[in-house]
Amino acid sequence: AQKITQTQPGMFVQEKEAVTLDCTYDTSDPSYGLFWYKQPSSGEMIFLIYQGSYDQQNATEGRYSLNFQKARKSANLVISASQLGDSAMYFCAMRNGRDSNYQLIWGAGTKLIIKP
Amino acid sequence: DSGVTQTPKHLITATGQRVTLRCSPRSGDLSVYWYQQSLDQGLQFLIQYYNGEERAKGNILERFSAQQFPDLHSELNLSSLELGDSALYFCASSPPGGGDTQYFGPGTRLTVL
Repeated sequence: AQKITQTQPGMFVQEKEAVTLDCTYDTSDPSYGLFWYKQPSSGEMIFLIYQGSYDQQNATEGRYSLNFQKARKSANLVISASQLGDSAMYFCAMRNGRDSNYQLIWGAGTKLIIKP
Repeated sequence: DSGVTQTPKHLITATGQRVTLRCSPRSGDLSVYWYQQSLDQGLQFLIQYYNGEERAKGNILERFSAQQFPDLHSELNLSSLELGDSALYFCASSPPGGGDTQYFGPGTRLTVL
């Protein structure tokens, strides 16, 4: 069965430090996609970054990068130079399905708190 | 702003009642997904529509139903509401042609009293 595991329920990080949020996944499908979303306390779900299973390079979006280790089935999110506004819940998700059937399977999330 | 709109933002109702949540996808997106986020179950996929047709079903209760209209907006109907249905309900949309990224609306927070 397809599954996403986020082992860090919560993290405290000093402002301006880099932070790594862990995500491991399990799937037998050779074609899949991995996503990270941010959910601030206001509740909205904000797309951060995407990595396809066939992508040769790790995805990057501004201060966000995805450390994709296919053999280990891990897709960790790295946030460089953390800011107070980065405090939020972070969810790792995996695309499940083919063609246009792309429902997401979600991890339990990691609550990140940035300390000033 | 993702471009996905959801109404209402908050909804408070009583057990046994029926409510309708509305979603308008981003311009040009054909797929609409509904998700439920609750404290005990986390985020769960409910149902997907693609250009008016149901494409996939997840953990959606029989008391819940959805549809996507010709103008591509979607409605999620929740009936015979129970306390446990209290949750944040998200709608997301994705572009045609199998685009991967789903863009989420702001959510509707449903409270059942």
